[in-house]
Amino acid sequence: DSGVTQTPKHLITATGQRVTLRCSPRSGDLSVYWYQQSLDQGLQFLIQYYNGEERAKGNILERFSAQQFPDLHSELNLSSLELGDSALYFCASSVRGGGETQYFGPGTRLLVL
Amino acid sequence: QKEVEQDPGPLSVPEGAIVSLNCTYSNSAFQYFMWYRQYSRKGPELLMYTYSSGNKEDGRFTAQVDKSSKYISLFIRDSQPSDSATYLCAMSPFSGGYNKLIFGAGTRLAVHP
Repeated sequence: DSGVTQTPKHLITATGQRVTLRCSPRSGDLSVYWYQQSLDQGLQFLIQYYNGEERAKGNILERFSAQQFPDLHSELNLSSLELGDSALYFCASSVRGGGETQYFGPGTRLLVL
Repeated sequence: QKEVEQDPGPLSVPEGAIVSLNCTYSNSAFQYFMWYRQYSRKGPELLMYTYSSGNKEDGRFTAQVDKSSKYISLFIRDSQPSDSATYLCAMSPFSGGYNKLIFGAGTRLAVHP
């Protein structure tokens, strides 16, 4: 158990809908990262937050947004969902946000029908 | 061309064999190198973490980084059926607060009794 929690574990929804994925980092970690894992693209970095502020952006679509709250938990919002958004979404956390270790949560499996 | 190349396998070996997993990369800015293990439908779990070049050993696992060749390796000695998983290499540039991990595609390993 990495200490990173994610909810829900599974999510089934329809195209065009909007969902919110939630992540709680390990105790003491200030940085949160979101990754998407699909069969054809592998594990891809989406976005990083550090202590409430956006720090780095990867291949995140405009339909997707995230935020980190004062209690350091983070939410990833996915809107206007398409079939191709079906994937595993992982949250990771680290102490600061430099090159140190990132610990991954168990993931949320999203299926868009 | 992808920044990080990793043979997806699958790799099948008998129990007790020495396993060699490799990744090559193109970005000379990468300074942090990691190996993650991912069991089916689970979050990636950190195995080894190396900064810059050199070797690191932890039990049955040895990680090697050769920055001059842009090549990293993970060796597993005395492989066990419980080592059957997907192994992902990951890399990050020296960033000062921006920490985007770039992952390889992952190599599927099967260790049979």
